[in-house]
Amino acid sequence: DAGVIQSPRHEVTEMGQEVTLRCKPISGHNSLFWYRQTMMRGLELLIYFNNNVPIDDSGMPEDRFSAKMPNASFSTLKIQPSEPRDSAVYFCASSPQGAGANVLTFGAGSRLTVL
Amino acid sequence: AQSVTQLGSHVSVSEGALVLLRCNYSSSVPPYLFWYVQYPNQGLQLLLKYTTGATLVKGINGFEAEFKKSETSFHLTKPSAHMSDAAEYFCAVNAGNNRKLIWGLGTSLAVNP
Repeated sequence: DAGVIQSPRHEVTEMGQEVTLRCKPISGHNSLFWYRQTMMRGLELLIYFNNNVPIDDSGMPEDRFSAKMPNASFSTLKIQPSEPRDSAVYFCASSPQGAGANVLTFGAGSRLTVL
Repeated sequence: AQSVTQLGSHVSVSEGALVLLRCNYSSSVPPYLFWYVQYPNQGLQLLLKYTTGATLVKGINGFEAEFKKSETSFHLTKPSAHMSDAAEYFCAVNAGNNRKLIWGLGTSLAVNP
C-alpha cells in the first residue's frame, strides 16, 4: 500500500486566493482526519470523517475553511479566501474500521505558505 | 478535560546514551496514550500506544513507554540512542470518544555523535 497520499506537498499562494488540498486515504480505511500543524499551536484536529460523513468539524477555524469527502478514496480541504495566518502544514490521516483516532496513519503533509 | 504536557521542547543526547522524553497527561477517564514520531518533512508515525493491560509498552525502533497512573505519566525511553532517532516526538491522549487525540507540543530530539 502506498500509504496516505497528499497533494500538493508545497503550496505558495497570495492572500485572497483559493487553496485546495487533497488527500487519498489508505484503501479500506473508513475514517479520515485533517490536521493543521503550526509552531505556535502544535497539532490541531480540523475535521473528522467516518464513512465519508463529517462527524466532527468543531476544529474548523472559520467559514473560510471547508472539507469534503465525496467518496471513500478522496477528500479535499479548501480555504477560500486564504490569509497569511493560514500558513501551516496540513496533514491528512486515516484509520481502519472501528479504530477511530487510535490507529492513525498520516500522510506526508501539505506545506502551505500564504503571502 | 484531557491535556498533555511534554516537558522539554528540546532534548539532546549523545549517541549510545539513554533517551528519556517526558509526557504527563490529564484525563477524566481511563486514558489511551500514544507516542508518535515525526521525521523531517514527513508525517507522523505511531511509535507505540497504551490502551489497557500491561503498563510497559514496547514499540518500534527499540522504544518503550510505561504508563504510571499514580504519576499521570507516560514517559518514552530508549536505552541507547542512535543517530537515526533524531526527530520530533509527540505524546497524545485519547479524549475518551475515539475520535480525537489531544496532542502535546512535541519534543525535538537531537542525537550527537
